[in-house]
Amino acid sequence: QQQVKQSPQSLIVQKGGISIINCAYENTAFDYFPWYQQFPGKGPALLIAIRPDVSEKKEGRFTISFNKSAKQFSLHIMDSQPGDSATYFCAATYTGANSKLTFGKGITLSVRP
Amino acid sequence: DGGITQSPKYLFRKEGQNVTLSCEQNLNHDAMYWYRQDPGQGLRLIYYSQIVNDFQKGDIAEGYSVSREKKESFPLTVTSAQKNPTAFYLCASQPQFGNEQFFGPGTRLTVL
Repeated sequence: QQQVKQSPQSLIVQKGGISIINCAYENTAFDYFPWYQQFPGKGPALLIAIRPDVSEKKEGRFTISFNKSAKQFSLHIMDSQPGDSATYFCAATYTGANSKLTFGKGITLSVRP
Repeated sequence: DGGITQSPKYLFRKEGQNVTLSCEQNLNHDAMYWYRQDPGQGLRLIYYSQIVNDFQKGDIAEGYSVSREKKESFPLTVTSAQKNPTAFYLCASQPQFGNEQFFGPGTRLTVL
């Protein structure tokens, strides 16, 4: 059973456009929702994260929108650049003993110049 | 320089051989994790350890073994019982009070 589902599976955006990646989760106990960015042959790096007490968090060109009632959260990349081309993973976990991150399958973003 | 190191970066193994992947961290994190990454599969948890001398199976532990004798080190052994070991292996660590996981650069294992 996949607890975190990402969509779309891949995304192609023109330079300067907005990239939007969506995630849906099932476990209502989740209370921490990070996005990771991974370049080919490298380990993932935390990009931005949100907790359910806020509906939106912005860091530079990256924004997370969170909808608790719909159990969905999304990543928006404004003014997308070719350097943003990477694989993006959403994840979710709960705060507590033995908690583990549950990852989505990832989406590949290509930003065309 | 604080961080997580994994070695080697590339590893080739013949079928039937065991191989051990190294993971070291100097972040003083309590928890450490091993993931396997295959194309289109995302990150799948193999084993994790939240304290020295203790570890738990993840979602795909069959054919793998780990040890946690030191806080800084969490080596993963891929045994000959793992039927399809060719993959990209990622190690991560996490502080005791916090949800963020920090990843190493990965080891790409290829079985010939």
